[in-house]
Amino acid sequence: EAGVAQSPRYKIIEKRQSVAFWCNPISGHATLYWYQQILGQGPKLLIQFQNNGVVDDSQLPKDRFSAERLKGVDSTLKIQPAKLEDSAVYLCASSVGGSRSYNEQFFGPGTRLTVL
Amino acid sequence: ELKVEQNPLFLSMQEGKNYTIYCNYSTTSDRLYWYRQDPGKSLESLFVLLSNGAVKQEGRLMASLDTKARLSTLHITAAVHDLSATYFCAVASLGGATNKLIFGTGTLLAVQP
Repeated sequence: EAGVAQSPRYKIIEKRQSVAFWCNPISGHATLYWYQQILGQGPKLLIQFQNNGVVDDSQLPKDRFSAERLKGVDSTLKIQPAKLEDSAVYLCASSVGGSRSYNEQFFGPGTRLTVL
Repeated sequence: ELKVEQNPLFLSMQEGKNYTIYCNYSTTSDRLYWYRQDPGKSLESLFVLLSNGAVKQEGRLMASLDTKARLSTLHITAAVHDLSATYFCAVASLGGATNKLIFGTGTLLAVQP
């Protein structure tokens, strides 16, 4: 079974530029998550999708971050314009979703963003 | 608001020794996860703990959960160099259908020969 795929793996941009990340979850997984992991910290949830609807985006800085999952499969996360403090690893995860007693999340390799 | 604390933040230990990583959380939850992260890599799921008193073991790692104390431990037995990594606990935030995980700060484990 293929895992969660993300691209690009690395990205370096200057502040005020725009950047987009792509995620392809595990086939059949209804729930998709985007996390931000700043160096030395644990991942922090930015946004959660159930199929193509947003379930939780309470910690997404909506003035500069946006995300979509149009067909309920792939997802993109965009930052426009980027700030220095956005330098982090952006992790995508997916889970089966639905009514299972626990929805184990499987993580992709991440995209390491450096904002100069 | 659910908060998750781990300690220690950094642990240097010799091969063959035993040690325990602690994970405390502030509000009731029904699930706790332990993940491993190698440098530059993503998170690998180690254990899922679902009930009070749950204990799971895999190789030299054993995780336990005390929901009354809101405490989980990850015990390392006879450490080997291959266990060097950062270990995170993550607690599910109850409420709605979000399955939201709150992660601890992580424990960087360095096993010295």
